[in-house]
Amino acid sequence: GIQVEQSPPDLILQEGANSTLRCNFSDSVNNLQWFHQNPWGQLINLFYIPSGTKQNGRLSATTVATERYSLLYISSSQTTDSGVYFCAVQDAGGTSYGKLTFGQGTILTVHP
Amino acid sequence: DGGITQSPKYLFRKEGQNVTLSCEQNLNHDAMYWYRQDPGQGLRLIYYSQIVNDFQKGDIAEGYSVSREKKESFPLTVTSAQKNPTAFYLCASKKTGPYNEQFFGPGTRLTVL
Repeated sequence: GIQVEQSPPDLILQEGANSTLRCNFSDSVNNLQWFHQNPWGQLINLFYIPSGTKQNGRLSATTVATERYSLLYISSSQTTDSGVYFCAVQDAGGTSYGKLTFGQGTILTVHP
Repeated sequence: DGGITQSPKYLFRKEGQNVTLSCEQNLNHDAMYWYRQDPGQGLRLIYYSQIVNDFQKGDIAEGYSVSREKKESFPLTVTSAQKNPTAFYLCASKKTGPYNEQFFGPGTRLTVL
């Protein structure tokens, strides 16, 4: 099946710093989503971005589908940005049925 | 407000007991999913359903069962056959079709004592 790798596994920042999280995937995808998992476990949808670039406030994301990677940018980080960031993809193959395959996540810690 | 609800938030079970986790959505989505998350890991698919009265096994279905009698509801039963049931369980839904965003409920944390 499709493989998803996220880097870095851990990231520690001072408040106000910028960061880039990367997601590599091994095959063509129909769907790519970025999530933030908060301390209570809730998965918050950040971006639905199978290709192209999107921005939402201090966050933006770019997916280059032909090169099989996606980037999540966080600017002017705040302590509330702390948590785990997941990339998840849906294989473009005919048998995926909407299944999302998740990476292992990036644990982001922002210090005041 | 449209969304996905899961209950209970926390569940404790003795070994050998079956338990059922509830998932309800009012987003009018046809497709629903159950995922499992272990500490420090990403999510893995247990079961999915694309339409009422139909469901399919995911990657780790052994020891679990589901039903889909209503569009809004997709309960998951963790049976005594599941060897390592302690985990965080998340339910998700989306519109049918390959190009739609998937949304998640708040999750149920199951602990086997």
